[in-house]
Amino acid sequence: GIQVEQSPPDLILQEGANSTLRCNFSDSVNNLQWFHQNPWGQLINLFYIPSGTKQNGRLSATTVATERYSLLYISSSQTTDSGVYFCAGVRSNDYKLSFGAGTTVTVRA
Amino acid sequence: DAGVIQSPRHEVTEMGQEVTLRCKPISGHDYLFWYRQTMMRGLELLIYFNNNVPIDDSGMPEDRFSAKMPNASFSTLKIQPSEPRDSAVYFCASSYAMNTEAFFGQGTRLTVV
Repeated sequence: GIQVEQSPPDLILQEGANSTLRCNFSDSVNNLQWFHQNPWGQLINLFYIPSGTKQNGRLSATTVATERYSLLYISSSQTTDSGVYFCAGVRSNDYKLSFGAGTTVTVRA
Repeated sequence: DAGVIQSPRHEVTEMGQEVTLRCKPISGHDYLFWYRQTMMRGLELLIYFNNNVPIDDSGMPEDRFSAKMPNASFSTLKIQPSEPRDSAVYFCASSYAMNTEAFFGQGTRLTVV
């Protein structure tokens, strides 16, 4: 599998703030996903985004495949956004979804 | 669809006992994956199946671990005998095809005492 680096490892936000999470990967990918692991441990799909930009409510993501990175934007953060955000990628002609170590986000009221 | 369904949600067992984790993938998905999540190693792939056939089990930590997929709607991950270091959250995931979006179950939190 590929190597996936996420930054920052931890992020503390005041409710209403905006933030950007970054994911760098070591090789070209055909599949890039962002997940949110909530405090109950569930892995929630946020985006399937091998390239380009997508938006879903207050969240958006951009993947620049040629430069091997992806960004997740959280706008007007809420306490329910707290949890760990993972990105995961699959190299071309591979099957293994390799995960980064995650960014732990804490949103304070 | 109800998504990927795993059971049980929590399992506490004594060292040496056999543990069986169960997974029902999303209907129509040809790929099924078993992952394990620990604090030390994060999320790691244990094994994956394509059309019910195990393709790569190189992530299975030891011979104590085995996985089967007798049909397209059911898979099991068995640990026999279990050890305290097997304590982790085990996730099952499925996808329609290679390199398509993967969906995860709610996980089974295993504690071996």
